[in-house]
Amino acid sequence: AQTVTQSQPEMSVQEAETVTLSCTYDTSESDYYLFWYKQPPSRQMILVIRQEAYKQQNATENRFSVNFQKAAKSFSLKISDSQLGDAAMYFCAKSGANSKLTFGKGITLSVRP
Amino acid sequence: SAVISQKPSRDICQRGTSLTIQCQVDSQVTMMFWYRQQPGQSLTLIATANQGSEATYESGFVIDKFPISRPNLTFSTLTVSNMSPEDSSIYLCSVERGDQPQHFGDGTRLSIL
Repeated sequence: AQTVTQSQPEMSVQEAETVTLSCTYDTSESDYYLFWYKQPPSRQMILVIRQEAYKQQNATENRFSVNFQKAAKSFSLKISDSQLGDAAMYFCAKSGANSKLTFGKGITLSVRP
Repeated sequence: SAVISQKPSRDICQRGTSLTIQCQVDSQVTMMFWYRQQPGQSLTLIATANQGSEATYESGFVIDKFPISRPNLTFSTLTVSNMSPEDSSIYLCSVERGDQPQHFGDGTRLSIL
């Protein structure tokens, strides 16, 4: 069975600082996608960033970037210049066969003003 | 990305009743999925809604409890049948079009008394 592990239940960061959220996964597939989704209290799931496993280059999206280590099956999210609006639940996810998403347990990120 | 309308946004239901949740997309999509998010938990895939045929259910979910319809490429419904307090959750539909990542509806917050 595929698993996605987020071992940190919560983190806190000072506004304007940088924070890294960790994620590891298990798979026997060679080609897959990895994602970070954000869920604010409004409960909407918002895609933050996507990484294709066959691409060595780490994905970036404005202040968000990933550190993808395929051999280690690690996929961390770095948020630079943290803003109050970044406070939310963040889920790491992996897509496998038939596009099914497997989610980690999530991490609650708080941003201190 | 596709615009997804999910209704109702929330509901409070009596034990033993059923509720149907609708997911409407503004354009044709290849894949539609239904997820459950229990209080304080991550998302779990219920089933893949297949256009014109029976949905594909994940382990632990059965058609009698969660019947799903998908009559066309832009619409799907999920029914939560014979509800009990354990069914209190957020139910989310998601869609995928081509090689684009999955995007989610705003979710339906369901409470059973």
